Amino acid sequence: EAQVTQNPRYLITVTGKKLTVTCSQNMNHEYMSWYRQDPGLGLRQIYYSMNVEVTDKGDVPEGYKVSRKEKRNFPLILESPSPNQTSLYFCASSLWASGGAGEQFFGPGTRLTVL
Amino acid sequence: GQNIDQPTEMTATEGAIVQINCTYQTSGFNGLFWYQQHAGEAPTFLSYNVLDGLEEKGRFSSFLSRSKGYSYLLLKELQMKDSASYLCAVNSGAGSYQLTFGKGTKLSVIP
Repeated sequence: EAQVTQNPRYLITVTGKKLTVTCSQNMNHEYMSWYRQDPGLGLRQIYYSMNVEVTDKGDVPEGYKVSRKEKRNFPLILESPSPNQTSLYFCASSLWASGGAGEQFFGPGTRLTVL
Repeated sequence: GQNIDQPTEMTATEGAIVQINCTYQTSGFNGLFWYQQHAGEAPTFLSYNVLDGLEEKGRFSSFLSRSKGYSYLLLKELQMKDSASYLCAVNSGAGSYQLTFGKGTKLSVIP
């Protein structure tokens, strides 16, 4: 089944404790992206990647890191999480060959709480 | 900066037609998407417009006017399961793929 998976689905952590949220897709998509969703603010893009070893900042990259060493994986790293990073996070992937016209397939989301 | 506006909430009756508007002001334009998101779930793709005009897909249609920075999503024969948030998103990247989302319109379908 074609899908985007994220782990963990739920996480409660404390300020300053480094964490990684994994994202994997099995559709051979070039493009992958991370979003956070907050009430009243909608979905905001954190980072995106057009292909292996090619990443770029979205609208709200502060406090986050990403890497794209393999085509299928795009982990989101919070080196020192803070309470303002409490949010619902979505990973998404898309074919890039269509020039940015491909629909994005979203993972199920990771609900993160930073105490 | 990027600005995408949608109504926050709408209510419509089962079986009726509803139009959800989206206006945008972005630094670039490389296509507009509509997504549906049920509460607690991931967004799912509904439609894509890059040229002016109407795209029809079953009960759902989407319209784009690039000169006016305007799009709408039209939902016909509303069903209770259409109760969800509808997200307008613009690809503002030139040669890249940078999606900016509106805050979404929460649609409630009532009997």
